[in-house]
Formats: sequence, structure tokens, C-alpha cells
Amino acid sequence: GAGVSQTPSNKVTEKGKYVELRCDPISGHTALYWYRQSLGQGPEFLIYFQGTGAADDSGLPNDRFFAVRPEGSVSTLKIQRTERGDSAVYLCASSLLPSPDTQYFGPGTRLTVL
Amino acid sequence: AQSVTQPDIHITVSEGASLELRCNYSYGATPYLFWYVQSPGQGLQLLLKYFSGDTLVQGIKGFEAEFKRSQSSFNLRKPSVHWSDAAEYFCAVGAMYSGGGADGLTFGKGTHLIIQP
Repeated sequence: GAGVSQTPSNKVTEKGKYVELRCDPISGHTALYWYRQSLGQGPEFLIYFQGTGAADDSGLPNDRFFAVRPEGSVSTLKIQRTERGDSAVYLCASSLLPSPDTQYFGPGTRLTVL
Repeated sequence: AQSVTQPDIHITVSEGASLELRCNYSYGATPYLFWYVQSPGQGLQLLLKYFSGDTLVQGIKGFEAEFKRSQSSFNLRKPSVHWSDAAEYFCAVGAMYSGGGADGLTFGKGTHLIIQP
């Protein structure tokens, strides 16, 4: 079956611009997670959705980062006024049941801020 | 604060030899644990998981891991490695709350496994 998909696979933007990253979870999965992976590091938790609501957004680094999941399926991670330090691979994962449950990861979106 | 430590940044093993990758965690709540593998250009693939019950868990590709609460460890093992096992390995830990529910995962920095012919 189809796994987690993320678009775009690569995004290059200029410092100060706004970007949106999209995640399509596995069909029927109720929970969705966003992580950020910098070069040479493990993924870093950003936010966890259960249904339409953010169950835990403690990992969002600052108020430039925001995520939505309006219909409980697709999610969009939004970054305002991008900075060079935001360059990373942004990973999305989904799980069938609420956390704790096995998280299945997408291929990621590589964001480069020039 | 919650933390996960993978003490070995790189490990080199000869093909056919045994492997052990170390993972230690520091958590205040009941942990649930995973090992994921990431090959170049590939997404994270789940190898195995521990939520409760038998502390020795079996995973895919011949991997196993043992949860040792007294040592706060969840080391990954394989009796005989293959060249295709060369990849980055991540240990990840989450906390289960006493009232139910849990949070996102905390990952270690990863161990890069190199296989020598």
C-alpha cells in the first residue's frame, strides 16, 4: 500500500521567504508527526497531531513555525521569514493509533535556505 | 530533560561478524523504544520496537534488541552482518504518560555502520 508521501522532495528558497511543506499520511492513520533532521544529526521532534488538533507542539523552535491538519489527514508545515539555519530535511511520520504506536516515516523534504 | 545517547558515531565490522550498537536513554516516564535504519537517500525504516512485555525483541533483517531497565539501555544486535547492512542506525525513545497517551520521539544522533569485506 501507499506509504507516507511528502511534497516537494526538494525546496530551495531565499532568506526571509515563506515556505509550505506538505505531508500525506498513510490512509486511515489518525496520528501525524513532523520532525526536522539536520546534517549528521538524528531527527528532532517538532509537532504531533492527533486528528485535527495539535496534541504536542513543544518541539516547534519558535513562532515562525506553524503546522495545520484541518481535516485530520493531510498536514502542512509552514515556515515564515526563513533563515539559513532552517535548512534541513523535514520528515513527516504517521501512525494508525494515537501515540504510542509505530511511526512510519516519509522520504522527507530537503529545505535549503540561501 | 529526556535524552538518548548513541555513544558510537562510527562502527566498522567485517562482513559475517557479529554486531552490537549501543543505546542509552534518560527518561522520567515509562519509555517505549525503537530502532530505525536509514540508508543513503532513503527514508527511515523501522527495524524493531519495544512497548512492554518480553524484553528481548526480534525485528526484521535478523536484528534483535534487549531492553534493560536497570541499565537504561536498548542495544541492537545482529549475529552476522551482511554488506547490505551498511547504513545509519537510530535509536528513538518516547515516554508513555501515567494518565495515558504519549509524545513524539527523541532520537539519538545515530551510529554509522561500515561493513568491511
